[in-house]
Amino acid sequence: QSVLTQPPSASGTPGQRVTISCSGSSSNIGSNYVYWYQQLPGTAPKLLIYRNNQRPSGVPDRFSGSKSGTSASLAISGLRSEDEADYYCAAWDDSLSVQVFGGGTKLTVL
Amino acid sequence: QLQLQESGPGLVKPSETLSLTCTVSGGSISSSSYYWGWIRQPPGKGLEWIGSIYYSGSTYYNPSLKSRVTISVDTSKNQFSLKLSSVTAADTAVYYCASSLEQLGRFDPWGQGTLVTVSS
Repeated sequence: QSVLTQPPSASGTPGQRVTISCSGSSSNIGSNYVYWYQQLPGTAPKLLIYRNNQRPSGVPDRFSGSKSGTSASLAISGLRSEDEADYYCAAWDDSLSVQVFGGGTKLTVL
Repeated sequence: QLQLQESGPGLVKPSETLSLTCTVSGGSISSSSYYWGWIRQPPGKGLEWIGSIYYSGSTYYNPSLKSRVTISVDTSKNQFSLKLSSVTAADTAVYYCASSLEQLGRFDPWGQGTLVTVSS
């Protein structure tokens, strides 16, 4: 059971906006930065969002991150077939002294 | 632009030590403000942070693995390494190395990953 809770699956049609949630606690999301990673099938994860809502260069602005209290969200607008992947949230946990990942959300583009 | 590449045995026997190396290109492993980390992913499962080493030499380990893990840096070869002792089948996973700038959790970029199977 992951310290950060994500829905196991999400779906949307091309062009739609989809959000993926990540629920934590005061010791992780509530007091530290949240990161989001995209893992396309058979490949290594890729950083999508850092410091809650910052995009690395090269990441389309269709991807956005937000944080409120002990929860965070990743939003993907203008959904494309190539967005079909697993998405992971992550944060440092002060109580456990560990970088924790959510269980991952498999996004399907219908 | 940084590039990372993992290398090491793909098969390790139970109770032995898993040893992997990550070669860094496109930059110096001694660059300030960088962490160098290891993350693993069991087949069909999620990501687990193993540990990271800061450019200064400070190490940070997952408490659940701390007693078995050692991460070190070889500046002469621009490499960092992972040693995981007393492995069991539960340590079978794809092992990734990654760099982190300024924040330990900001893993970017990642190596392509290497599958390590623990089996006799």
